Amino acid sequence: EAGVAQSPRYKIIEKRQSVAFWCNPISGHATLYWYQQILGQGPKLLIQFQNNGVVDDSQLPKDRFSAERLKGVDSTLKIQPAKLEDSAVYLCASSVDRSSGTQYFGPGTRLLVL
Amino acid sequence: QQQVKQSPQSLIVQKGGISIINCAYENTAFDYFPWYQQFPGKGPALLIAIRPDVSEKKEGRFTISFNKSAKQFSLHIMDSQPGDSATYFCAASMTGTASKLTFGTGTRLQVTL
Repeated sequence: EAGVAQSPRYKIIEKRQSVAFWCNPISGHATLYWYQQILGQGPKLLIQFQNNGVVDDSQLPKDRFSAERLKGVDSTLKIQPAKLEDSAVYLCASSVDRSSGTQYFGPGTRLLVL
Repeated sequence: QQQVKQSPQSLIVQKGGISIINCAYENTAFDYFPWYQQFPGKGPALLIAIRPDVSEKKEGRFTISFNKSAKQFSLHIMDSQPGDSATYFCAASMTGTASKLTFGTGTRLQVTL
């Protein structure tokens, strides 16, 4: 069974530029999560999708971050414009459904904002 | 009330020793407590998880101890090996309609020869 795929693995941009990250969850997983992991900290949930609908985006900075999961499969997370404090690893995870506690994580995209 | 506090921040253990990492939570609605292992450059991987209806769960060299009254849980790694050197995160969630994980701050474990 293939795991959660993410791309790119690394990205370096200058502040005020825009960037997009892509995630393909495990086949058949209805729930998809985007987490932000700042160096030395635990992952923090940004947004949670159930199929193509948003379940929780309470911690997503909506003035600059957006995410979509149009066909209920893969997802894109965008930052526009980026700030220095957005430098982090962006992790995508998926689970069978919202009632399942087990989440499977991708390798993450490491973003550096200069 | 959503916090999960984890300690220690870092831990050095000799090969063959026991590694112990502790976590405490505040929200009594949490009903799922996983531990994740993360190697550099990789995403977190589920190691072992427990629900509050049991006080202990063991899988190989890894054991979770759970104290519901104290709102604490811990990870014990028996016979620690150099390959166990990684960062460990505890987490908690309310399964069902709100399954988002709240993570601890992580413990960097180093197992020396």
